[in-house]
Amino acid sequence: NAGVTQTPKFQVLKTGQSMTLQCAQDMNHNSMYWYRQDPGMGLRLIYYSASEGTTDKGEVPNGYNVSRLNKREFSLRLESAAPSQTSVYFCASSGRDSRGVKNIQYFGAGTRLSVL
Amino acid sequence: DAKTTQPNSMESNEEEPVHLPCNHSTISGTDYIHWYRQLPSQGPEYVIHGLTSNVNNRMASLAIAEDRKSSTLILHRATLRDAAVYYCILNTNAGKSTFGDGTTLTVKP
Repeated sequence: NAGVTQTPKFQVLKTGQSMTLQCAQDMNHNSMYWYRQDPGMGLRLIYYSASEGTTDKGEVPNGYNVSRLNKREFSLRLESAAPSQTSVYFCASSGRDSRGVKNIQYFGAGTRLSVL
Repeated sequence: DAKTTQPNSMESNEEEPVHLPCNHSTISGTDYIHWYRQLPSQGPEYVIHGLTSNVNNRMASLAIAEDRKSSTLILHRATLRDAAVYYCILNTNAGKSTFGDGTTLTVKP
């Protein structure tokens, strides 16, 4: 039971380089999320997708783009990486229970990104 | 978005109960209270959630105030493996949840 899978686990970029962080879930969840966590801080929401084909900005969307490719996959792209984007990135997904209440979030193991 | 307030850090002795408080004075009627914890170098994991009534599961108990403006996560017997950052969030059906910085729990042997 894989749950939420993120790739890569580690990445080092130079300022100005681009890259895409991949996330896939196998729990048939509608909602998916991207968070960043800076050292010693809590999680901040970057983007959110309520369902396939929809995305919405979170607290800190600047410098990022997302694609909800299908129900399983939600990718995060850095077009021109900056040192301020050095962080740990977590992907999460959640479904709804039988009453339609949004359910708990399941998190991936994270991607540790350093931008030099 | 409705926010929560938690103490930055708390300490406990091993095998003693721990009560982790959370204030959420702007909670709305349909918001569920969720607790997650994050062990070092891992992603957050779900602990427990509730709406109005107190809840128990194998990991912890959740006590919710009658006015729902605060809640307390109770670890009945803290172990060294419970040392983590604990997050209290409001789970809204609008989709966005704000995590905040959480409470860092230190468990002393």
